[in-house]
Amino acid sequence: KAGVTQTPRYLIKTRGQQVTLSCSPISGHRSVSWYQQTPGQGLQFLFEYFSETQRNKGNFPGRFSGRQFSNSRSEMNVSTLELGDSALYLCASSLVQGTTGELFFGEGSRLTVL
Amino acid sequence: GNSVTQMEGPVTLSEEAFLTINCTYTATGYPSLFWYVQYPGEGLQLLLKATKADDKGSNKGFEATYRKETTSFHLEKGSVQVSDSAVYFCALSTNGGYQKVTFGTGTKLQVIP
Repeated sequence: KAGVTQTPRYLIKTRGQQVTLSCSPISGHRSVSWYQQTPGQGLQFLFEYFSETQRNKGNFPGRFSGRQFSNSRSEMNVSTLELGDSALYLCASSLVQGTTGELFFGEGSRLTVL
Repeated sequence: GNSVTQMEGPVTLSEEAFLTINCTYTATGYPSLFWYVQYPGEGLQLLLKATKADDKGSNKGFEATYRKETTSFHLEKGSVQVSDSAVYFCALSTNGGYQKVTFGTGTKLQVIP
């Protein structure tokens, strides 16, 4: 069974640009969550999608947005990039129904903003 | 709200030493508890979990027991190896139907030969 796939793995952008990251969950998983990981702040929850609906949202500005498609694939977008957006962005999928909250993570997309 | 507190790192141990990484939590409801591990350059992967009081999760020689009375879920391993060097995250989840898992800040473990 294929794991969670995130693309691209690495990218470099400049301030003011925008970026789109993609996540393909494990087959059959309908929930996709996004996390930002930085050395200073640790793992911070961005948002969670289930059946194309955002169910939970973390404390991030409106520049951070996401969506989920009917095949459960998800994208997140960051507009007007700032230096502080440099981070590892992790996507995680889960079954939801009948589970205890276990997440399956991708390897992440490492964003560097110059 | 929910929160997880784990011991500050980094933790440096010699190979074959005993490991304990402390984790305590605050939660509304009755949480499930997890330890995740992140090896360099990789995403997080589940190490072990426990879903009710007194449950012991175990995997790859690591163990943690769900202690409701002390709201703790400490990670232990009797004899660490260099390959255990990684960052360890304690986490909790309440209401399995809504996937908002709360993570601790992570504890970096370095094992030296």
